[in-house]
Amino acid sequence: DAGVIQSPRHEVTEMGQEVTLRCKPISGHNSLFWYRQTMMRGLELLIYFNNNVPIDDSGMPEDRFSAKMPNASFSTLKIQPSEPRDSAVYFCASSLTGATNSPLHFGNGTRLTVT
Amino acid sequence: AQKVTQAQTEISVVEKEDVTLDCVYETRDTTYYLFWYKQPPSGELVFLIRRNSFDEQNEISGRYSWNFQKSTSSFNFTITASQVVDSAVYFCALSEQVRSQGNLIFGKGTKLSVKP
Repeated sequence: DAGVIQSPRHEVTEMGQEVTLRCKPISGHNSLFWYRQTMMRGLELLIYFNNNVPIDDSGMPEDRFSAKMPNASFSTLKIQPSEPRDSAVYFCASSLTGATNSPLHFGNGTRLTVT
Repeated sequence: AQKVTQAQTEISVVEKEDVTLDCVYETRDTTYYLFWYKQPPSGELVFLIRRNSFDEQNEISGRYSWNFQKSTSSFNFTITASQVVDSAVYFCALSEQVRSQGNLIFGKGTKLSVKP
C-alpha cells in the first residue's frame, strides 16, 4: 500500500516567493494533518482536516499560511509570501478515523529552505 | 508547562547495550492515548506503538518493550541489545480525548546513537 505522499521533498526559494506543499493521504483515511518540525520548537500541529473540512487551524502561525483540502485525496499548504523563519520540515500525516486512538501515518516530509 | 517531556536530549550507547528512553506526560483527561514514533536519519516518522490510558500492561515486541505507569505518568521505551540501525530520534506523543480528535502532542525527542 502506498503511504502518505508529499511533494516536493526539498524546496529552496527566495524570501517573498509563494510556496506550495502538496500531500496525498493514504486512501480511505478521512483525517489529514499538517505538522511543522524545527529544531527550536520540535513538531507542531499547524492544521488538521476531517472529511476534507478544516477542524482546527489554531496552529497556523500567520495569515501568510493557508491550507486546503479540495477532495479526500489531496491537500495543499501554501505560504505566501515566504520568509526565512518559515524554513523547516513540513510533514503531512493521515489517519483512518481521526479519533484519538487512531495512529497518524506520516509522509516523508518536505524540507523547505527560504533564503 | 510541557505536556510531554522527554528529558534525555541525546543518548549514546555501544551496540548490544540496553537503553531506556524516558517519557513523562501531563494530562487532566481520563481517556488518552500515548504513542512512540521513530525518526531515522532519512527523516520519515515511523509509528511504533499506541497505548490507551486504561491498559497498563507492558508490551514487548521483539527487542522493544514499553512500560506504562499511570502512577508516575510515564511511558518509557526500552531497546534491548541495541543495534546500529536503532540510531534515530524517538518521539513520545500524547493524544487527549477532550482536546481534539487525533491531534498528537509531541515531546522534543531523544536522539539515540548506537555505536558499533
